[in-house]
Amino acid sequence: KAGVTQTPRYLIKTRGQQVTLSCSPISGHRSVSWYQQTPGQGLQFLFEYFSETQRNKGNFPGRFSGRQFSNSRSEMNVSTLELGDSALYLCASSLHLTSGGANEQFFGPGTRLTVL
Amino acid sequence: KNEVEQSPQNLTAQEGEFITINCSYSVGISALHWLQQHPGGGIVSLFMLSSGKKKHGRLIATINIQEKHSSLHITASHPRDSAVYICAVRPGNQFYFGTGTSLTVIP
Repeated sequence: KAGVTQTPRYLIKTRGQQVTLSCSPISGHRSVSWYQQTPGQGLQFLFEYFSETQRNKGNFPGRFSGRQFSNSRSEMNVSTLELGDSALYLCASSLHLTSGGANEQFFGPGTRLTVL
Repeated sequence: KNEVEQSPQNLTAQEGEFITINCSYSVGISALHWLQQHPGGGIVSLFMLSSGKKKHGRLIATINIQEKHSSLHITASHPRDSAVYICAVRPGNQFYFGTGTSLTVIP
């Protein structure tokens, strides 16, 4: 089975722009979670989608949004980019909703976003 | 306040040494995850455990739910084990991550 794929792998944007990142989960996986990783804050949970619905959300402003399509592929969008949004954005897929943390997640390679 | 604390932050070992990384958490959980991240960013899930001990090759993970503590052990460490090791817990709808332990194994 192919692993989790993320596109693009690298992205450079300027402040004020918006960006869309894409994640294709492992075939058959229905849950997709998104994470932000920065040197200062480490890994932080953004949100989780299951069956095209956002099920859980971390503590990020409304500029961060996402969606999931019927084939389980997911996109996240960041509007009005700020310098602090520069980070590695990781998505992870799992078979089921990860409530309680008792489902294994498989991570993609990440998208490295640089905001200038 | 950090819900998940890891120690040590950095660790350098000689090849062949036995390594222990510790993780303590302050929230009630049903499972704890150990993740490995190599330079370049890719993350691999090593273990998901809710009780006792799990072993995979040279890696062993243990958890004590009552004491809210988990350890990751690497036996006969090898330079290819050099990576950042992160523990993560999920109480309810949030994920909490430790800040990671950066391990360097010297040949």
